[in-house]
Amino acid sequence: AQRVTQPEKLLSVFKGAPVELKCNYSYSGSPELFWYVQYSRQRLQLLLRHISRESIKGFTADLNKGETSFHLKKPFAQEEDSAMYYCALATSGTYKYIFGTGTRLKVLA
Amino acid sequence: DAGVTQSPTHLIKTRGQQVTLRCSPKSGHDTVSWYQQALGQGPQFIFQYYEEEERQRGNFPDRFSGHQFPNYSSELNVNALLLGDSALYLCASSLLNPYGYTFGSGTRLTVV
Repeated sequence: AQRVTQPEKLLSVFKGAPVELKCNYSYSGSPELFWYVQYSRQRLQLLLRHISRESIKGFTADLNKGETSFHLKKPFAQEEDSAMYYCALATSGTYKYIFGTGTRLKVLA
Repeated sequence: DAGVTQSPTHLIKTRGQQVTLRCSPKSGHDTVSWYQQALGQGPQFIFQYYEEEERQRGNFPDRFSGHQFPNYSSELNVNALLLGDSALYLCASSLLNPYGYTFGSGTRLTVV
């Protein structure tokens, strides 16, 4: 069965430190992977998707098919990065996302 | 553009009752998906509507049904409410494919 695993419920880092939010997926086909972010009192919004190979707000994520991972990284965390982050998988031939349980990132001053 | 609009924002219902949640998609979007998010969990796919038809359904019982109108807005109906139906219900709109969902703020349903 397809599944997305985000092993950390909470990740605390100091401002300026590197950040890595982990995401592993289970899917035998060609996945489409996304990171969504939810800031306090705001709605869920798309941060980035692997197919675009883009960098948003300094965040990048590389799809590693061998390790079935799509970790989110940022070299220097900012306080405004504090939020809930969800990794999501879309499988070919379907129209749904499969979300992980999310990781709360806290960036400490 | 108001983005995706959901109503109501909060709702309290009694077990066994029925509820209808509403969603207006982002301007230009023709596809509406519904997700249930229980406390501490990620959103779970309920179903998706396109061209007024249910295109795909997640692992939810038939008590969950929906509708899409010609103006692309959508409703989610839940019959015979159970305590376990208490959750945040999210509506997401998009164009035909699922890439680039725009989410609404959700409706918080509490079943007592």
